[in-house]
Amino acid sequence: QVQLVQSGAEVKKPGASVKVSCKASGYTFTSYGISWVRQAPGQGLEWMGWISAYNGNTNYAQKLQGRVTMTTDTSTSTAYMELRSLRSDDTAVYYCARDYLRAVAGSGYWGQGTLVTVSS
Amino acid sequence: SYVLTQPPSVSVAPGQTARITCGGNNIGSKSVHWYQQKPGQAPVLVVYDDSDRPSGIPERFSGSNSGNTATLTISRVEAGDEADYYCQVWDSSSDSVVFGGGTKLTVL
Repeated sequence: QVQLVQSGAEVKKPGASVKVSCKASGYTFTSYGISWVRQAPGQGLEWMGWISAYNGNTNYAQKLQGRVTMTTDTSTSTAYMELRSLRSDDTAVYYCARDYLRAVAGSGYWGQGTLVTVSS
Repeated sequence: SYVLTQPPSVSVAPGQTARITCGGNNIGSKSVHWYQQKPGQAPVLVVYDDSDRPSGIPERFSGSNSGNTATLTISRVEAGDEADYYCQVWDSSSDSVVFGGGTKLTVL
């Protein structure tokens, strides 16, 4: 069965960076893209970007351009999301999610989420 | 940028039909996906490409999309359907994914 297992909760100071991992299993990693979505406390879902696990092509949300980097390691079937210059409003649960059938057709499999807290 | 508008809340009695709307400019020309999210859990895809259901999703969940409104319909609502529901599209003009603000479904 398809599983996405994310790294554990993080507490960071403003200005620091965080890197969240998402280890995939149960399918051919390079056949599907991975999206990253975050959810601030009590708020809705916010798309952060998408990476092709096939060739590493990325597409980032405009508001995060320059602060976010998404990568993959095909040898370990792991996707990574790094966010830099953290601010308090980056406090959120961060999810990775796999394309269901193809890119832009919804995310059918989600990780359990990683809480990132930014606080001085 | 493209905006999706959902009602903040919808209430329905058990056994009745819930309809959750998602409004957007000419949304009928886009593919709409719907997610269910229960407290403390990751979202679950319940409808993709306007009206298709992923495997394992009950037939009670259906979707439609036309004009400026997409609709998620939940028939024979159960207490376990109480959750937040989000619509999502791909906006080709901005090359980005957009989520609606979410609708809290309350089962009375």
